[in-house]
Amino acid sequence: QVKLVESGGGVVQPGKSLRLSCAVSGFIFSSYGMHWVRQAPGRGPEWVALISFEGIDKHYANSAKGRFTISRDDSNNTLYLQMNSLRTDDTAVYYCARDFLVGPNTFAFDYWGQGTLVTVSS
Amino acid sequence: DIVMTQSPDSLAVSLGERATINCKSSQGVLYSSNNKNYLAWYQHKPGQPPKLLIYWASTRESGVPDRFSGSGSGTDFTLTISSLQAEDVAVYYCEQYYSSPPTFGQGTKLEIK
Repeated sequence: QVKLVESGGGVVQPGKSLRLSCAVSGFIFSSYGMHWVRQAPGRGPEWVALISFEGIDKHYANSAKGRFTISRDDSNNTLYLQMNSLRTDDTAVYYCARDFLVGPNTFAFDYWGQGTLVTVSS
Repeated sequence: DIVMTQSPDSLAVSLGERATINCKSSQGVLYSSNNKNYLAWYQHKPGQPPKLLIYWASTRESGVPDRFSGSGSGTDFTLTISSLQAEDVAVYYCEQYYSSPPTFGQGTKLEIK
């Protein structure tokens, strides 16, 4: 079955960096666009970034532009999010999620991981 | 960015009764070239990831019980649970994927009365 497992979260000081990973299985990873979506405590989900199925197109939320980098390793079925210059308002559960259609990106999500908590605090 | 506004913020419904959640977008999400509304509904239970229930505003995801239905077009949408079950207690979110960035509503917390 489809499985997405995030890792790499933790407590980090403002201004520091963190790299999240998402290991996937149960589907042809290289055929799908993949996203990172986060949810801060008490708030609704917020889309963070997309990487297209070919890895060519990358899109970011304004809050992530210039600080976060999404990437993928299709040979290892793994999605990444490199987060630099972290701020306290980046504190959230970070989910990786699969685009719900094969091929072209839709920005809707049919499978989500369990999430990994990132806490940015001094 | 398109702003998604849900109502109510919370809702208590008796078991077996109908639950209705509304979602309004600040601009239309109907793509005229394919006549599809780029609107999804998710169910989020504590300790679990969000689950896709409905996409294209009214298409039920595989495996979702048929008591869940979505309706609406343009800027106004509704998620209806026809006969509330105990396992439906959750927070429900609408999401527009018509334009980037995709945006979510603030959520509606559904409880048992």
